[in-house]
Amino acid sequence: AQTVTQSQPEMSVQEAETVTLSCTYDTSESDYYLFWYKQPPSRQMILVIRQEAYKQQNATENRFSVNFQKAAKSFSLKISDSQLGDAAMYFCAAGGAQKLVFGQGTRLTINP
Amino acid sequence: EAGVVQSPRYKIIEKKQPVAFWCNPISGHNTLYWYLQNLGQGPELLIRYENEEAVDDSQLPKDRFSAERLKGVDSTLKIQPAELGDSAVYLCASSRGASGSMETQYFGPGTRLLVL
Repeated sequence: AQTVTQSQPEMSVQEAETVTLSCTYDTSESDYYLFWYKQPPSRQMILVIRQEAYKQQNATENRFSVNFQKAAKSFSLKISDSQLGDAAMYFCAAGGAQKLVFGQGTRLTINP
Repeated sequence: EAGVVQSPRYKIIEKKQPVAFWCNPISGHNTLYWYLQNLGQGPELLIRYENEEAVDDSQLPKDRFSAERLKGVDSTLKIQPAELGDSAVYLCASSRGASGSMETQYFGPGTRLLVL
């Protein structure tokens, strides 16, 4: 069984600043993967970044990076140089055996 | 490459009426998922198909929900009869298929259902 917890229901950041969204998870899978998805008001879930748990190196996609702490079961998302288009709900998800479990989400607001 | 297509985008019905949602996955994706997303929460899996076989339907309320994926391509999710509590967004996702690693799931825009 897998559980994912996002302890920050809402976050806000000034445009061009950096923000970190928190996520912790629990899983009984030995081989698992972690994801961050973005869901803007249009409701389309968009993949932001993916991390294979067996890799020690933190994944990076342009302005988005993760801090993966396997022992602590922590998987935070850092957004650098925040842009107005980054405003959305962000969901952390843990996956194994083709099954994804999502957290409750964090609503990110970007202040101009 | 076209993404996951869902229709309709919005549906308003009265309780006890039937409703159906349609999903066409990304071409070549063998695995198809239906998720339920309640307001302010993350998606929850209803059913997963590998080709035309439902391999995980443990969370599907089978007394009123049904799904099919004939020919292993597009899929239909049906609710009959709908209840007030079924008001939510129904998301469809697809991935390339089961392999040695966890495949990334790509989501459609969802269908927002309102039951009155």
